Amino acid sequence: DMKVTQMPRYLIKRMGENVLLECGQDMSHETMYWYRQDPGLGLQLIYISYDVDSNSEGDIPKGYRVSRKKREHFSLILDSAKTNQTSVYFCASSLGGGYAEQFFGPGTRLTVL
Amino acid sequence: GQGVEQPDNLMSVEGTFARVNCTYSTSGFNGLSWYQQREGHAPVFLSYVVLDGLKDSGHFSTFLSRSNGYSYLLLTELQIKDSASYLCAGLRNNNNRIFFGDGTQLVVKP
Repeated sequence: DMKVTQMPRYLIKRMGENVLLECGQDMSHETMYWYRQDPGLGLQLIYISYDVDSNSEGDIPKGYRVSRKKREHFSLILDSAKTNQTSVYFCASSLGGGYAEQFFGPGTRLTVL
Repeated sequence: GQGVEQPDNLMSVEGTFARVNCTYSTSGFNGLSWYQQREGHAPVFLSYVVLDGLKDSGHFSTFLSRSNGYSYLLLTELQIKDSASYLCAGLRNNNNRIFFGDGTQLVVKP
């Protein structure tokens, strides 16, 4: 069953709190991604991971960090969340970097008050 | 934005067709992907085109003109459930990452 999962699905935090978003995939995909999507906009790449401990900044990495200690798990961390980080966060995976087909998780709706 | 552009909105009628256009920077991208995203859901991959011409996949077809930096997604025999946002995404040729357009919101009316 090819699946990308995300936890939690909904999260409300106060400004300055730390946030941990988790993502898992069961397809043994090498490459995983974190995106954010704001209303009416496309997906913006935050970080990309090419494999365990092989992470690269995307287009908007500021204020975020990631961790990938197992191929099937990829975490997004917000240290001291800000209100402008309120968004929907999507995790995705693909066979490798450069593959056009990405499989997306259901998203996490984060609200920072 | 920033190299991949799509119209914001498109409206069509059930049973007819809709063409979702996408333009992109020819110097920046090698190949275009199309994704469907229903309200409140994750994007779902539809198609990837890297060669010129029309790629027919039944209900969805995609066209690419590399020299013009233009692609479209053609949906035929529209159903109400085709109402969704359609995202065009270019595969960057400098780092093999995908860059998404802002999406075109398609509304299919009865």
